[in-house]
Amino acid sequence: NAGVTQTPKFRVLKTGQSMTLLCAQDMNHEYMYWYRQDPGMGLRLIHYSVGEGTTAKGEVPDGYNVSRLKKQNFLLGLESAAPSQTSVYFCASSVGNIQYFGAGTRLSVL
Amino acid sequence: AQSVTQLDSHVSVSEGTPVLLRCNYSSSYSPSLFWYVQHPNKGLQLLLKYTSAATLVKGINGFEAEFKKSETSFHLTKPSAHMSDAAEYFCVVSAPSGTYKYIFGTGTRLKVLA
Repeated sequence: NAGVTQTPKFRVLKTGQSMTLLCAQDMNHEYMYWYRQDPGMGLRLIHYSVGEGTTAKGEVPDGYNVSRLKKQNFLLGLESAAPSQTSVYFCASSVGNIQYFGAGTRLSVL
Repeated sequence: AQSVTQLDSHVSVSEGTPVLLRCNYSSSYSPSLFWYVQHPNKGLQLLLKYTSAATLVKGINGFEAEFKKSETSFHLTKPSAHMSDAAEYFCVVSAPSGTYKYIFGTGTRLKVLA
């Protein structure tokens, strides 16, 4: 049982490059989330989705876009990466008020 | 607005001694509260949750937390620390029903000394 799988695990980008982070869940959950984790700041919500084809902005959405074309996948895109986007990114899905997290993607933007 | 404050960024205990990680919350409604644990280089895992049933909530690995409405607190405790408990712990409050959002505290890093 894979749960929530994030790819890639690590990535280094140059300023201005673009990339897509993939989150896949095999638990048939409706709700999915993207967070970023920075030292001393806990997890902050970037975007979330309450079902296939729907997305909504979270607390820190600027510079990111998302898509939920299939129920099991939630993609996070960076169109033009900036050093301020250096962070650890976590995807989660939820059911019954419980969130299930992936192992994270560590992104460095130089 | 909802918020959550973890009162200690770092806590150190000796193996076999009690653990206390403190969390205060602010909410204009009856909240659901959670504790998650994050081991190094891992994702977060649910320890326990409170959803307006019993005020003393038991979780995995011997952890428990008590919801105290009068003190707006939800402190996490364990009678005897184990080396494997060394991790970062997050207190989380749910946003109002229907918004599907959660508000995370800034985390408490627990160190267990041999």
